[in-house]
Amino acid sequence: DADVTQTPRNRITKTGKRIMLECSQTKGHDRMYWYRQDPGLGLRLIYYSFDVKDINKGEISDGYSVSRQAQAKFSLSLESAIPNQTALYFCATSDFLTGGSGELFFGEGSRLTVL
Amino acid sequence: KQEVTQIPAALSVPEGENLVLNCSFTDSAIYNLQWFRQDPGKGLTSLLLIQSSQREQTSGRLNASLDKSSGRSTLYIAASQPGDSATYLCAVDQTGANNLFFGTGTRLTVIP
Repeated sequence: DADVTQTPRNRITKTGKRIMLECSQTKGHDRMYWYRQDPGLGLRLIYYSFDVKDINKGEISDGYSVSRQAQAKFSLSLESAIPNQTALYFCATSDFLTGGSGELFFGEGSRLTVL
Repeated sequence: KQEVTQIPAALSVPEGENLVLNCSFTDSAIYNLQWFRQDPGKGLTSLLLIQSSQREQTSGRLNASLDKSSGRSTLYIAASQPGDSATYLCAVDQTGANNLFFGTGTRLTVIP
């Protein structure tokens, strides 16, 4: 089983629908992140969380919200999806509390298409 | 805002060749720099992480160097193999919070 698991892996939805992407990890890491990847733009940070009570906006948080339900779970929501949110979304984790180097571990991605 | 550039966008080499991938960044005040590999349809795999106080890191056939003053990093791959074919991404962390600024990657093809 993957250490960082994202669900769903693929989703097609319509404009205006609410969408939730889920991420769970078995690595025991304290920090979790959501990035999106667009062709030609690279990866950009949406939100990040240092622990259950610490949520921070990234570079492109508008139109998104997150919830850190437990140390191992971090979900990303699009309240009202729009076509320019069509992208590949990645969850990632890193270890800080036990002295980790800051290395990021990524899930395999969730491809979202908004029609 | 930090900007990260990777040139070339694509590179093809014959198997066995040594090669260098380039990464440049505009703000030299960085915490660390990371190199990742991405295979088609897959997530990113961390290859090497260089702290701002370090000049290079090595892992197997991979060697990454960092020159903060010039805003450059290179990833050297020795004796390339077809299995090295992937997109290679560099990313800069300015604060230690893993708020990474990514380049758009170099797509490497190693021809058998």
